[in-house]
Amino acid sequence: DSGVTQTPKHLITATGQRVTLRCSPRSGDLSVYWYQQSLDQGLQFLIQYYNGEERAKGNILERFSAQQFPDLHSELNLSSLELGDSALYFCASSVLGAGGAYQETQYFGPGTRLLVL
Amino acid sequence: DQQVKQNSPSLSVQEGRISILNCDYTNSMFDYFLWYKKYPAEGPTFLISISSIKDKNEDGRFTVFLNKSAKHLSLHIVPSQPGDSAVYFCAGWSGGSNYKLTFGKGTLLTVNP
Repeated sequence: DSGVTQTPKHLITATGQRVTLRCSPRSGDLSVYWYQQSLDQGLQFLIQYYNGEERAKGNILERFSAQQFPDLHSELNLSSLELGDSALYFCASSVLGAGGAYQETQYFGPGTRLLVL
Repeated sequence: DQQVKQNSPSLSVQEGRISILNCDYTNSMFDYFLWYKKYPAEGPTFLISISSIKDKNEDGRFTVFLNKSAKHLSLHIVPSQPGDSAVYFCAGWSGGSNYKLTFGKGTLLTVNP
């Protein structure tokens, strides 16, 4: 158990809908990262938040957004869903993840499996 | 485009033998590498890492080798155990103003008893 929790575990929805994925980082970790893993693909980095602020951005679509709250949990919002958005979405956390500590080990949650029909 | 490539989708070895998983990267912006292991229905778990200033890092049965001139790294598992059967991801940190962690597509390792 990495200490990172993600809810829900599974989500089935229809095209055009909007969903919210939730992540609670390990106790004390300030950074949260979101990744997408599609079929036969590696993990694609989406976005990182550090202590409530957006820190780094990867291949995140404009239809997707995220935020990190004062209690450090994070939410990933996916809107106008398309069939191709079906994937595993992982959240990870690390102690700092900023400045000279950007190479820190990241601890991953179990993921949310999203199926768009 | 910065890429990390794992060209072998799968690898099968006998228990007790050596497993060698390979990874290539495309440019010198990568300065730190990690290997993650992933079991089905779980998130990836950190295994071992190596900085670009080193050429080898060892942790128990796991050793990672880095060849900067060839832009190649490998993970050696000796001896391999059935519990090592999992998907192994190679990942690289690229620095600069927009640092990020780039993952390969993974290699499925099967260790046969």
